[in-house]
Amino acid sequence: LAKTTQPISMDSYEGQEVNITCSHNNIATNDYITWYQQFPSQGPRFIIQGYKTKVTNEVASLFIPADRKSSTLSLPRVSLSDTAVYYCLVAPMDTGRRALTFGSGTRLQVQP
Amino acid sequence: GEEVAQTPKHLVRGEGQKAKLYCAPIKGHSYVFWYQQVLKNEFKFLISFQNENVFDETGMPKERFSAKCLPNSPCSLEIQATKLEDSAVYFCASSQSVLPPGNIQYFGAGTRLSVL
Repeated sequence: LAKTTQPISMDSYEGQEVNITCSHNNIATNDYITWYQQFPSQGPRFIIQGYKTKVTNEVASLFIPADRKSSTLSLPRVSLSDTAVYYCLVAPMDTGRRALTFGSGTRLQVQP
Repeated sequence: GEEVAQTPKHLVRGEGQKAKLYCAPIKGHSYVFWYQQVLKNEFKFLISFQNENVFDETGMPKERFSAKCLPNSPCSLEIQATKLEDSAVYFCASSQSVLPPGNIQYFGAGTRLSVL
């Protein structure tokens, strides 16, 4: 499994755009990149998943360069409720039946 | 249901007692996973099922942990003779299939097990 590296923590203010970058230098051809969010006392919540280029949904955007050795989760105009731990995961396509490997995540603190 | 339902939310046991946790996956999902989250953010995979069959049990401490997913019943994770080190939050997740977007794992709110 590809190892991921992401910042331990980040601080931001309400209304700002937050970009969290994850590096995964040994990503394999059939690996997907997935991001989860976890609030205290809750289970991880799926945010976004992508393979290459850019993916956008109602919550976030995911930017993946051509070499796929890194990815950036972009959260537009964060609010206090976006304070959480964000996990970057890299796993083969069939993660529907394989265990996910969570790293330490990035703790995002949004200030008023 | 539309979400993974885990019960109970919190379970307190004395050392040596049995603990049993339950998980109802999202209706129509074929795969169920159990994870253990201990200090900070560390997740440990325990076991996964494809319907009622064990798919991967490489993470299970087999001497005290067991799990089942029977038809028409919630899945269960049982710990015999709990130890202090079993104190953790246990998460269940389910997924629909293996290919995107069905490969997304949806997590329950977890069961916090406190062993005293």
